[in-house]
Amino acid sequence: GENVEQHPSTLSVQEGDSAVIKCTYSDSASNYFPWYKQELGKRPQLIIDIRSNVGEKKDQRIAVTLNKTAKHFSLHITETQPEDSAVYFCAASIADSGYALNFGKGTSLLVTP
Amino acid sequence: NAGVMQNPRHLVRRRGQEARLRCSPMKGHSHVYWYRQLPEEGLKFMVYLQKENIIDESGMPKERFSAEFPKEGPSILRIQQVVRGDSAAYFCASSPTSSEQYFGPGTRLTVT
Repeated sequence: GENVEQHPSTLSVQEGDSAVIKCTYSDSASNYFPWYKQELGKRPQLIIDIRSNVGEKKDQRIAVTLNKTAKHFSLHITETQPEDSAVYFCAASIADSGYALNFGKGTSLLVTP
Repeated sequence: NAGVMQNPRHLVRRRGQEARLRCSPMKGHSHVYWYRQLPEEGLKFMVYLQKENIIDESGMPKERFSAEFPKEGPSILRIQQVVRGDSAAYFCASSPTSSEQYFGPGTRLTVT
């Protein structure tokens, strides 16, 4: 089955700096890669996703890049703000097939003012 | 458009009791997934359902756990004879297409 590895497990940055979280996956059939943000005690929220037919996607301060050959994808947050502090999860799946999301173990991001 | 609803939000059960967790998907979503999250861990897939059908239950323990998504009403995850190890947050997610999944607020189950 699919195995998703996520690094780092914790990340601390100063407000205004960039943050990068990296994930690798094992199943070359995976073609859908969402990222979720989870604040303490809250639901995971879908913040951005990418499919394997594109290499990069941006939404304001958030971007995701995908390298299919190397089977890794990354989340980039620019100009970080304290409200970006949360746990971020990457996931991999096969789109439109009913396959479940396989999640990484999460990265706890702390943005200090 | 209301989001995914789950109830109860918190559930306390003694060992050996039954736990019933409910999930109402977003309007128009016919795909429902259940995940379990242990403290400080990621989400682990349990079961995927469409109306009246279990599509994939490969992540669900063979004993004591069952799930349904009837033609009318919410999806239900049922845990019989709960044990301390069942204590976790249980999230359901719904999807219109079986790709992007939107999560409910979760049910935090505590077994005493």
